[in-house]
Amino acid sequence: EPEVTQTPSHQVTQMGQEVILRCVPISNHLYFYWYRQILGQKVEFLVSFYNNEISEKSEIFDDQFSVERPDGSNFTLKIRSTKLEDSAMYFCASSEVRENIQYFGAGTRLSVL
Amino acid sequence: AQKITQTQPGMFVQEKEAVTLDCTYDTSDPSYGLFWYKQPSSGEMIFLIYQGSYDQQNATEGRYSLNFQKARKSANLVISASQLGDSAMYFCAMRDQTSNTGKLIFGQGTTLQVKP
Repeated sequence: EPEVTQTPSHQVTQMGQEVILRCVPISNHLYFYWYRQILGQKVEFLVSFYNNEISEKSEIFDDQFSVERPDGSNFTLKIRSTKLEDSAMYFCASSEVRENIQYFGAGTRLSVL
Repeated sequence: AQKITQTQPGMFVQEKEAVTLDCTYDTSDPSYGLFWYKQPSSGEMIFLIYQGSYDQQNATEGRYSLNFQKARKSANLVISASQLGDSAMYFCAMRDQTSNTGKLIFGQGTTLQVKP
């Protein structure tokens, strides 16, 4: 069964460092999303990506964040200069069309020290 | 504004019994989609079941079923014959109909513990 793959599963970084979280969405899916879950809290939307550009972003997704689809399969989230409050689980999700089910990856746990 | 509410922070159920996890939603749009996801302690988010607002029947997927009451704006998840592996966090979510990409709005989640 096709699945969304995220790497790494756990990333530890120093405050101020740049991190890149990687995702391989399901191959025939057209919509891609990043969500964030701070420990013990609910899942929050960060950004959606369609047709090789950002379609929508939340107020959390400030200038420190960027997304890219560098090739036909990968979808990355970059945090330019990490802060302590960026520590969270980051989920990538994809769906075939807007109205379909969003399938999530296993997440990347980011720890900023 | 669209909103999802899960009022049960934690629930216990005896193995092999059924359990209902509550979810209420708020939207003024007549067309919407509701989802349930399971998050085990390992952290991944697993899709369980989907209900569309125009679906004539309540959704079912194996041991999971949705008690969809449109007038009450509730979409409760029913897990039958609970197993130890059902112990996890469960999230109810709704597709944001104002979003051009259908982003999901999540509830706060309910932690389910299945007792042997």
